[in-house]
Amino acid sequence: DTAVSQTPKYLVTQMGNDKSIKCEQNLGHDTMYWYKQDSKKFLKIMFSYNNKELIINETVPNRFSPKSPDKAHLNLHINSLELGDSAVYFCASSRSGGSDTQYFGPGTRLTVL
Amino acid sequence: AQTVTQSQPEMSVQEAETVTLSCTYDTSENNYYLFWYKQPPSRQMILVIRQEAYKQQNATENRFSVNFQKAAKSFSLKISDSQLGDTAMYFCAFMKRGAGNMLTFGGGTRLMVKP
Repeated sequence: DTAVSQTPKYLVTQMGNDKSIKCEQNLGHDTMYWYKQDSKKFLKIMFSYNNKELIINETVPNRFSPKSPDKAHLNLHINSLELGDSAVYFCASSRSGGSDTQYFGPGTRLTVL
Repeated sequence: AQTVTQSQPEMSVQEAETVTLSCTYDTSENNYYLFWYKQPPSRQMILVIRQEAYKQQNATENRFSVNFQKAAKSFSLKISDSQLGDTAMYFCAFMKRGAGNMLTFGGGTRLMVKP
């Protein structure tokens, strides 16, 4: 059983398009995250979300928006894609409380042409 | 804001030998957590080990152990009896308690285990 899953694993699209990446966790966690890993392998937090609070890293453009239909899902919507959005995007989840380990999905490689 | 620095972009070690990966961090917080994650070529992020800052005892997980020096803000990872499967990128990460529990990562160290 996959704990944190993401779809699709690979996404190739044109500049200007709008796309979504889906994330689901079956761990019963109540906090989910999105991270971006750039071409130099640097990982940076984008969002932290539970059913009470969304925390956004201030460097994230407002073209990116997380949407959570329920506690087990946190999807990432990206509008007006740009070349610089090409990266690997990771979803993660954890229990709330501040001490719990985050478990990562397999990542989605987004390529913007 | 917190920063995490991994000063070794690449390292290599012979199979069965021991290697230590360095990590330093900068924070004014007193209550935080530190992690090492491994990213093999499959790109999956896998937790290797975690340390709570309030614990003086260094964490250990089988062949993996840390040397946590809180005053020096240092958190190195030691891998004993290195195996070919340890070949991966290793990321050190910091988490401040609260504020969304977001991880701040270092730039990573690429470790190659040679047969």
